[in-house]
Amino acid sequence: EAQVTQNPRYLITVTGKKLTVTCSQNMNHEYMSWYRQDPGLGLRQIYYSMNVEVTDKGDVPEGYKVSRKEKRNFPLILESPSPNQTSLYFCASSLAFRETQYFGPGTRLLVL
Amino acid sequence: DAKTTQPPSMDCAEGRAANLPCNHSTISGNEYVYWYRQIHSQGPQYIIHGLKNNETNEMASLIITEDRKSSTLILPHATLRDTAVYYCIVRLPTGANNLFFGTGTRLTVIP
Repeated sequence: EAQVTQNPRYLITVTGKKLTVTCSQNMNHEYMSWYRQDPGLGLRQIYYSMNVEVTDKGDVPEGYKVSRKEKRNFPLILESPSPNQTSLYFCASSLAFRETQYFGPGTRLLVL
Repeated sequence: DAKTTQPPSMDCAEGRAANLPCNHSTISGNEYVYWYRQIHSQGPQYIIHGLKNNETNEMASLIITEDRKSSTLILPHATLRDTAVYYCIVRLPTGANNLFFGTGTRLTVIP
């Protein structure tokens, strides 16, 4: 089944403890991106990747890192999480830039 | 990307057609109309998109007016599982690749 998977789905952590949220797609998509969703603010793009080894900042990149070493994987790294990064995170992929994006199931993160 | 306006909420009886309107009066000639939905905190799900002509797929139909200033998403036989927030998005084929999800329409399918 064609899909975007994220792990973990739920995560509770403490301020400053590094964490990684994994994202993987099995559709051979070139483009991948990360969004966060907060009440009243809609979806905001954090980072995106046009292809392997090519990443760029979205609208809200502060406090986040990404890497794209393989086409299928696009992990989101929070080096030193803070409470304002408590949010619902979505990974998405598309065949190419500006093509239809397909979303993962989401990761709900709580930073205490 | 053009701004869209949708009603905040709608109800639909199970088995009936759900017609969700979207206004995009400032749409430009090469902007596409996309529809996504989000079922309570799940990942947004792509439904359909179009440019000028009406489109139909296994999930829904998209009717775009001739002047392209508005569109309607039609779910032909709504089920309880169609209860979700539906987002209408207008975007260019070039430029930034963000998807701007507004407040959408919360569709409730009633048994």
